[in-house]
Amino acid sequence: EVQVLESGGGLVQPGGSLRLSCAASGFTFTMYGMSWVRQAPGKGLEWVSSISSSGGKTDYADSVKGRFTISRDNSKNTLHLQMNSLRAEDTAVYYCAKTVMSTTPEGPVRWFDPWGQGTLVTVSS
Amino acid sequence: QSVLTQPPSVSAAPGQKATISCSGSSSNIGNNYVSWYQQVPGAAPKLLIYDNTQRPSGIPDRFSGSKSGTSATLGITGLQTGDEATYYCGTWDSSLSAVVFGGGTKLTVL
Repeated sequence: EVQVLESGGGLVQPGGSLRLSCAASGFTFTMYGMSWVRQAPGKGLEWVSSISSSGGKTDYADSVKGRFTISRDNSKNTLHLQMNSLRAEDTAVYYCAKTVMSTTPEGPVRWFDPWGQGTLVTVSS
Repeated sequence: QSVLTQPPSVSAAPGQKATISCSGSSSNIGNNYVSWYQQVPGAAPKLLIYDNTQRPSGIPDRFSGSKSGTSATLGITGLQTGDEATYYCGTWDSSLSAVVFGGGTKLTVL
């Protein structure tokens, strides 16, 4: 069964740091991109960041650029999100998702399946 | 304010059909593939449709996707109470160089 499982969430003070991890299983990790998507309490989905299968290409939402870093360890089938300079508005459930990423003549392809159960990050003093 | 526009809510009777619209622009829906996700309260999102019209294995053919110009539509036939959820559209935005989602549509089956 294809699964992704997040960990590392918790309570952190504004300006602090946190590192999220996502353990993948049931598929060939090195063949797929991976992403983080977050959901603030009672709000909709917000894409955070994606990384290519090799780790050589990353992209970020403007809201986290320069503060968050996505990385992957293909030897351990693990995805990470290093979050620095955290703000109250970063409070959300963070989902990890296996990502299909490609560029076709008809345009870029980016979709997420499956998603993990999420890990809650709360930024508060 | 989401880049993609969805109606906040849609309702329909059991057994009937519901359609959920997703409106964008030439920088996103108009030139890129759309995907759709279902989120039941308290659960993670689940992929329903990818590449505008394709269903992953295990998704019943009651769910369908279409795209025309800068808008996309999710259709659900034979509505069941278990279909009550919030539905999101998503795509790549070439101007923003980012994935964008709609604000979500809450489907009520009554």
